[in-house]
Amino acid sequence: GESVGLHLPTLSVQEGDNSIINCAYSNSASDYFIWYKQESGKGPQFIIDIRSNMDKRQGQRVTVLLNKTVKHLSLQIAATQPGDSAVYFCADSSYGQNFVFGPGTRLSVLP
Amino acid sequence: GAGVSQTPSNKVTEKGKYVELRCDPISGHTALYWYRQSLGQGPEFLIYFQGTGAADDSGLPNDRFFAVRPEGSVSTLKIQRTERGDSAVYLCASGEAENSPLHFGNGTRLTVT
Repeated sequence: GESVGLHLPTLSVQEGDNSIINCAYSNSASDYFIWYKQESGKGPQFIIDIRSNMDKRQGQRVTVLLNKTVKHLSLQIAATQPGDSAVYFCADSSYGQNFVFGPGTRLSVLP
Repeated sequence: GAGVSQTPSNKVTEKGKYVELRCDPISGHTALYWYRQSLGQGPEFLIYFQGTGAADDSGLPNDRFFAVRPEGSVSTLKIQRTERGDSAVYLCASGEAENSPLHFGNGTRLTVT
């Protein structure tokens, strides 16, 4: 992930709408990418991962898209629910090296 | 099953004191990571173990920070002569192997007064 400063970007969506959270990474050698969800007072929780030999992967209500050309990752959440409100982080790694986390995006689901 | 366990969950200490933070990884996970997270920021890498050895300690900010994993399971992060700037949430994560998903504990919130 990229360090873009201290202010946490916020995304507000209406309950039931789809959410798209974006992330840029800087290491062109990164080959493994993970999205995490973090609720207040808890550690990051694994959502979905993707390796560099893929450009799309789907899970339950979530889809991750990877664009290696522009070093961009996105997380799509379908039919966003109140329980999806949290901070979302992307993390990238090059084999055998540590995971680098982005600054995070706060998702706020409006009733 | 049991996840990653970190103790204590909260630690308040005075400036200049020594602290130890403990991490119990998921059983069988060979990779163990320590991260530090300040308010409103993403986790910042400190050190990574593969088995008993530190595979990468490039994230430790200075020589006051040290971590061990003597038997390849439990790890302890040690901070000497704590400073107010060390206040943060210290997160531990484990993984089955290199380049596998990290599973995080809930962290230890360290406050240095």
